[in-house]
Amino acid sequence: DQQVKQNSPSLSVQEGRISILNCDYTNSMFDYFLWYKKYPAEGPTFLISISSIKDKNEDGRFTVFLNKSAKHLSLHIVPSQPGDSAVYFCAASATGTYKYIFGTGTRLKVLA
Amino acid sequence: KAGVTQTPRYLIKTRGQQVTLSCSPISGHRSVSWYQQTPGQGLQFLFEYFSETQRNKGNFPGRFSGRQFSNSRSEMNVSTLELGDSALYLCASTQTSGKETQYFGPGTRLLVL
Repeated sequence: DQQVKQNSPSLSVQEGRISILNCDYTNSMFDYFLWYKKYPAEGPTFLISISSIKDKNEDGRFTVFLNKSAKHLSLHIVPSQPGDSAVYFCAASATGTYKYIFGTGTRLKVLA
Repeated sequence: KAGVTQTPRYLIKTRGQQVTLSCSPISGHRSVSWYQQTPGQGLQFLFEYFSETQRNKGNFPGRFSGRQFSNSRSEMNVSTLELGDSALYLCASTQTSGKETQYFGPGTRLLVL
């Protein structure tokens, strides 16, 4: 039962354009969401998070949007840079479960 | 502040052997979680420990076990290794595992032959 889904395994974007990565979830108890970036042979690096009491959080070039009614979150990267090329994971957690559920990842390739 | 460290970084074992992986969390972090990453499967949650107590466990067979010590360092053990156990094993720490960011170590790459 995949509670967190990233339906696009890969995405290619031109440098300078916007990258939009999507994530859907099924568990309405999730109340905290995170995005991570991962390079091969390294551990995931935290990018940005959002609590369910908000619908948007921004940090530099990264913005996360949360649509609770649709159980959907997205990560926008503007402008995209070649160094952003990596695998991006979304993760979700429900208070009291002490557990983070990860999606299967989206491989982003930013073309110079 | 030093990050999450994992040892060893790489490991080669044969089927039927057992293996122990170690994780040292960020100083002050008391919650440690373990994940298995295989191609196409994302990060699969193994278990979470806080103050030496396992608070949650993922859907893995009993061959996978873990523990946490009083200094918050954690180990995970896999007994009777199978080929399918080949994966990147990641450890992450938080202060309490509430609504907060998990910080990951670099992982241990396990290859089972």
